[in-house]
Amino acid sequence: DAKTTQPPSMDCAEGRAANLPCNHSTISGNEYVYWYRQIHSQGPQYIIHGLKNNETNEMASLIITEDRKSSTLILPHATLRDTAVYYCIVRNAGNMLTFGGGTRLMVKP
Amino acid sequence: NAGVTQTPKFRILKIGQSMTLQCAQDMNHNYMYWYRQDPGMGLKLIYYSVGAGITDKGEVPNGYNVSRSTTEDFPLRLELAAPSQTSVYFCASSYSPSGSSKSYNEQFFGPGTRLTVL
Repeated sequence: DAKTTQPPSMDCAEGRAANLPCNHSTISGNEYVYWYRQIHSQGPQYIIHGLKNNETNEMASLIITEDRKSSTLILPHATLRDTAVYYCIVRNAGNMLTFGGGTRLMVKP
Repeated sequence: NAGVTQTPKFRILKIGQSMTLQCAQDMNHNYMYWYRQDPGMGLKLIYYSVGAGITDKGEVPNGYNVSRSTTEDFPLRLELAAPSQTSVYFCASSYSPSGSSKSYNEQFFGPGTRLTVL
């Protein structure tokens, strides 16, 4: 399984874009990149996923580099409620999610 | 839809006691999962099920058992509780089209059960 590397923590000002990076240099061709987040003590929440192309939904945008070795999750206008741990996960073939340490995003007023 | 529900929310056990953590989903999902999360760590997969009557081990199955007699329910059993099983337990579900052994669809998580073993 491809492993991911994320910074342990980041700060972002409220109203600004939050850009969360993720390295997955050993990703294979059929593996998807998933992002989940976990707000304090709650169950994780799905955000977005992608294979090759950039993706956007109502929550966020996902930018995947052409070589697929890294990606960035963008929250366009971060709010205080976006404070959470964000997990970048590369999905293996058997439907399993492997959670690493994630990035703790703190949105500050 | 209630989504994924878990009971109880909190529980304290003594060493050696047994208990069952309940999980139910009303989304007609065929895949269900149990994870545990230790303080400050990511989630680890304990067991999963791809449908009624089918279960399989995840990364950390020792000390746990599961069953899947219906599509809706996926209980997790602790037989002899140990302090190392103190953790927050999350149940999740997802849908995979019939006949597919793989699913890239999102997982929906329950609110968790916080278990302390003393």
